[in-house]
Amino acid sequence: NAGVTQTPKFRVLKTGQSMTLLCAQDMNHEYMYWYRQDPGMGLRLIHYSVGEGTTAKGEVPDGYNVSRLKKQNFLLGLESAAPSQTSVYFCASSSTTGRHGNQPQHFGDGTRLSIL
Amino acid sequence: KQEVTQIPAALSVPEGENLVLNCSFTDSAIYNLQWFRQDPGKGLTSLLLIQSSQREQTSGRLNASLDKSSGRSTLYIAASQPGDSATYLCAGFVSSGSARQLTFGSGTQLTVLP
Repeated sequence: NAGVTQTPKFRVLKTGQSMTLLCAQDMNHEYMYWYRQDPGMGLRLIHYSVGEGTTAKGEVPDGYNVSRLKKQNFLLGLESAAPSQTSVYFCASSSTTGRHGNQPQHFGDGTRLSIL
Repeated sequence: KQEVTQIPAALSVPEGENLVLNCSFTDSAIYNLQWFRQDPGKGLTSLLLIQSSQREQTSGRLNASLDKSSGRSTLYIAASQPGDSATYLCAGFVSSGSARQLTFGSGTQLTVLP
């Protein structure tokens, strides 16, 4: 009963390095989301996808890219890591029963990323 | 732009007390209002989802209400237990055209003392 799985769980990068965070869900959900959580600021949406092959920008997309080549996977890429991208990153997914957004989002346990 | 505020940022109560967590939002055109629980080092767990056409939802000892006209939602926890200690976040879902977005409050950190 995996739900939403994020890898890796922890990572430390140097400024300028690149990396990809992987999110996988086994619930056959259409919608997937990437958020970042910073102290005292709640969660902010980076990018989201409403189906395989589609992506869209959220509130804070700069410095990130995403891909949804397979329905079950949603990848978040950092092209050139910056210290401001130090954060906890959460992936979530939801189904499309009824109007969009009418189903709760299911979250992974997060990836803790530090940029030195 | 939707803004969601949660007050207080932290709350400590003795075991057995009933308590209310508050959430306010600026855009009344929300599709739903969701309450989540987050344990330290973990992701978010959905507790209750209130559709825009509903006034409240209940699950066990939890009851969430929604008043779109005043831009407020409350989460009521009855007979609190130490296991309820966690951070509780509310989020309003807005969908406009192709944009779909949950806007989160910064959370209320609840501690229930045994």
